[in-house]
Amino acid sequence: DGGITQSPKYLFRKEGQNVTLSCEQNLNHDAMYWYRQDPGQGLRLIYYSQIVNDFQKGDIAEGYSVSREKKESFPLTVTSAQKNPTAFYLCASGGGPETQYFGPGTRLLVL
Amino acid sequence: AQSVTQPDIHITVSEGASLELRCNYSYGATPYLFWYVQSPGQGLQLLLKYFSGDTLVQGIKGFEAEFKRSQSSFNLRKPSVHWSDAAEYFCAVADNAGNNRKLIWGLGTSLAVNP
Repeated sequence: DGGITQSPKYLFRKEGQNVTLSCEQNLNHDAMYWYRQDPGQGLRLIYYSQIVNDFQKGDIAEGYSVSREKKESFPLTVTSAQKNPTAFYLCASGGGPETQYFGPGTRLLVL
Repeated sequence: AQSVTQPDIHITVSEGASLELRCNYSYGATPYLFWYVQSPGQGLQLLLKYFSGDTLVQGIKGFEAEFKRSQSSFNLRKPSVHWSDAAEYFCAVADNAGNNRKLIWGLGTSLAVNP
C-alpha cells in the first residue's frame, strides 16, 4: 500500500559521527521535505526538494545534508557539525496543491 | 511575512464536551490552510484542508474547521470529544511565494481529554 516510510525508528549517534536517516515514498510525489521537531518548537524545516536532483535549504539547514537522486528517496545526513542533533525527525512528501503527507518519524539520540 | 499563530499551547476538555482550537494566520493572498494531528511519537496526519469554496470544511474523525477571512482565522471544532482525540494539533498555511511549495506552521496545541 502507498505511503511514506522512515527508518530507523530510533537512531543513536556517537560524538563526531555522521548518521543518515532514510525516507522513502511510493506516492509518486515530486516534493519531499525534512523537518526537525523539538518539544515546544513545532516543526522546523531543514531541507526540501521539489524535483529530482534539486533541493533547497530550509530554516535550519546548518549541520545537515541531503540528496535527491531518485524521486522516491530523500535521505537526510546529520553531520558532526550539528552540535545538538537530539530531536524527532519527520519526513514528508507533497501532493498537490501543497498538501504534505508524513512518515512515522525517526528519533535521534546522542550517546 | 507569513505566519501562523495558535494562541492556546495546552487545552484540557472533558470527554463528550465540545472543542474549538484556534488558529490565526497572516498571509497576503487567499490562503491554503491545513489542520494536522500528531499522536505521541508518531507522524502527522492530515485532518482537513481549505483551498477555496465553502468556508466550512469537513475532515476526518468528526472534525470541521471554518475559514473566516475577516478574522484571518481557521478554527478547528468537534462537537463531542473522545478520549482518543488527545494529541497535538497543528495549523499550517501554504507559502507559495516564489513558487516555493512550503508550509508555515503554528507551534501546536496540546489537547488533553479528561474521562
